[in-house]
Amino acid sequence: GESVGLHLPTLSVQEGDNSIINCAYSNSASDYFIWYKQESGKGPQFIIDIRSNMDKRQGQRVTVLLNKTVKHLSLQIAATQPGDSAVYFCAEPGAGSYQLTFGKGTKLSVIP
Amino acid sequence: KAGVTQTPRYLIKTRGQQVTLSCSPISGHRSVSWYQQTPGQGLQFLFEYFSETQRNKGNFPGRFSGRQFSNSRSEMNVSTLELGDSALYLCASSLGQGTSGNTIYFGEGSWLTVV
Repeated sequence: GESVGLHLPTLSVQEGDNSIINCAYSNSASDYFIWYKQESGKGPQFIIDIRSNMDKRQGQRVTVLLNKTVKHLSLQIAATQPGDSAVYFCAEPGAGSYQLTFGKGTKLSVIP
Repeated sequence: KAGVTQTPRYLIKTRGQQVTLSCSPISGHRSVSWYQQTPGQGLQFLFEYFSETQRNKGNFPGRFSGRQFSNSRSEMNVSTLELGDSALYLCASSLGQGTSGNTIYFGEGSWLTVV
């Protein structure tokens, strides 16, 4: 089946800096990707999604970039805040299904 | 609008027992999925229900089962509990219709500890 993987397990950034979290996927037919944020003891929280007909999508302080050529997507967080400290997952539903395949996650730590 | 609600939030069971977890999806959502999250395996898909029918099933033993009711609420059951079943069990809901791409929202999860 499809696989979604993350390049780095941990990321530490200074408060106020920008954060970039990367994700690779293997299925070139994938057409929809979701980023989730999971704080300690809580369920995954939807951040932003992107469809394969887009290269970039922006939300509040977050931007997702999709590079279909190299099957890579990234989540950029602007002006990172302590409240952004969490584990971030990219996820991908199977074709025509609602079954999500998750990467292992990247733990973002914000240094005050 | 209320989010995905899971009960109970925390529970401790003994090996060999069985457990039932409950999930109420976001109002209007007809797809409910269940995931198991452990430190070693990450987030793994268990099964997905839509209109009381199981549409997809993950690679878990038959001890893991679920069902969905006519009001879209769902339950999952784990029988003959093993220590390795200790995990955070997450429920997610979505509109569930059309092609994939409906946003999927998660609940806060049920923490199960098997002793």
